[in-house]
Amino acid sequence: DIQMTQSPSTLSASVGDRVTITCRASQSVRSWLAWYQQKPGKAPKLLIYKASSLETGVPSRFSGRGSGTEFTLTISGLQPDDFATYYCQEYNSDLGTFGQGTKVEIK
Amino acid sequence: HLQLQESGPGLVKPSETLSLTCTVSGGSISSGGYYWGWIRQPPGKGLDCIASIYYTGSTYYNPSLRSRVTISVDTSKNQFSLKLTSLTAADTAVYYCTRRGLGLKGGIDFWGQGTLVTVSS
Repeated sequence: DIQMTQSPSTLSASVGDRVTITCRASQSVRSWLAWYQQKPGKAPKLLIYKASSLETGVPSRFSGRGSGTEFTLTISGLQPDDFATYYCQEYNSDLGTFGQGTKVEIK
Repeated sequence: HLQLQESGPGLVKPSETLSLTCTVSGGSISSGGYYWGWIRQPPGKGLDCIASIYYTGSTYYNPSLRSRVTISVDTSKNQFSLKLTSLTAADTAVYYCTRRGLGLKGGIDFWGQGTLVTVSS
């Protein structure tokens, strides 16, 4: 089974900050990786697919990089609406595996 | 605009079987190009994939749940369903039905609103 590990688990930041979340896979997932944003009581929302492709309608301050086993999600210029929990998910395997999540909170 | 809507009981007793249905509107399951699946999220915890199915009937299961899970599709009703047997408190979670693209565009682009299932006597 593929394991996905995100770091950090919690991130404290201020509006306007540039923040980066890392996701590591236990084996190569090529570029088959997605990032999601989830707010309390809501379903997750797809932000990035294929490691670096921005989903339609997602602001350009979100960007993804990486391939193989190491990936990053960067938010350039954190906005009030961005305080949420972020998950990576590999879909190289049949079902896909999620990371444990990174909560971005207000400093 | 595609919409997914979960339906099923909110409270189930331990050892019983959970049956959930996802009704898809604004698009056809039979058009192909997507996996249809179920993901759950225990209160305050992360996301776990349970199972997924292609409209042809090909299925994929989480190995840790495989012995208790069945996913099925009814293309005539544009629905897919989940059965989870031998429930315990550990199965208490919000259950989401989802659509995931095939191949590289494989992110989950549509989610149901989620339904909270509580396992309790």
